[in-house]
Amino acid sequence: AQSVTQLDSQVPVFEEAPVELRCNYSSSVSVYLFWYVQYPNQGLQLLLKYLSGSTLVKGINGFEAEFNKSQTSFHLRKPSVHISDTAEYFCAGTSNTGKLIFGQGTTLQVKP
Amino acid sequence: GAGVSQSPSNKVTEKGKDVELRCDPISGHTALYWYRQRLGQGLEFLIYFQGNSAPDKSGLPSDRFSAERTGESVSTLTIQRTQQEDSAVYLCASTAPQRTYGYTFGSGTRLTVV
Repeated sequence: AQSVTQLDSQVPVFEEAPVELRCNYSSSVSVYLFWYVQYPNQGLQLLLKYLSGSTLVKGINGFEAEFNKSQTSFHLRKPSVHISDTAEYFCAGTSNTGKLIFGQGTTLQVKP
Repeated sequence: GAGVSQSPSNKVTEKGKDVELRCDPISGHTALYWYRQRLGQGLEFLIYFQGNSAPDKSGLPSDRFSAERTGESVSTLTIQRTQQEDSAVYLCASTAPQRTYGYTFGSGTRLTVV
């Protein structure tokens, strides 16, 4: 069965420091991967997605993610975070069935 | 419409009552999904409609939960005999046939069972 695992439930980091939020997937078929952000009391917003082609995907707000097929990972990175990046981040994936499966989420806490 | 619309935005109901949640997907989106997000938790897949195919109901937690979709338009999620553990935000999403545009989510319905 397809699954998406986010390895860290909480990631505290100081402002202007780099951050990496980890995501691993398991699927035996072709895969599409996504990162969503959910700010407090708001809906889900798409940060970036990997469908095919270049394995390095750039998204909004300075975030990027790298698709690594050999390690079945799709980690999210930002070189310098801001207080405003404090939010819940969800990794999600789908195979050719179309069903979108989410990880459990990672809370990014940016401290001044 | 321009986005995925869900109604009501908030619903408070008494334990044991039935509730209906509505989702209007983006016009032309053939796939529609329902998810549940309990407080402080991730998104739990409930059900998935794709065109005229049989829906994938594998995520429905009990037989108190059911969902219908009329063609490629509105969907309703019904919860019968609500329980306090049903309290959550229920999110609907839709996507275009090719699934290349990303999944567009509605703002959700916050259900509180008292």
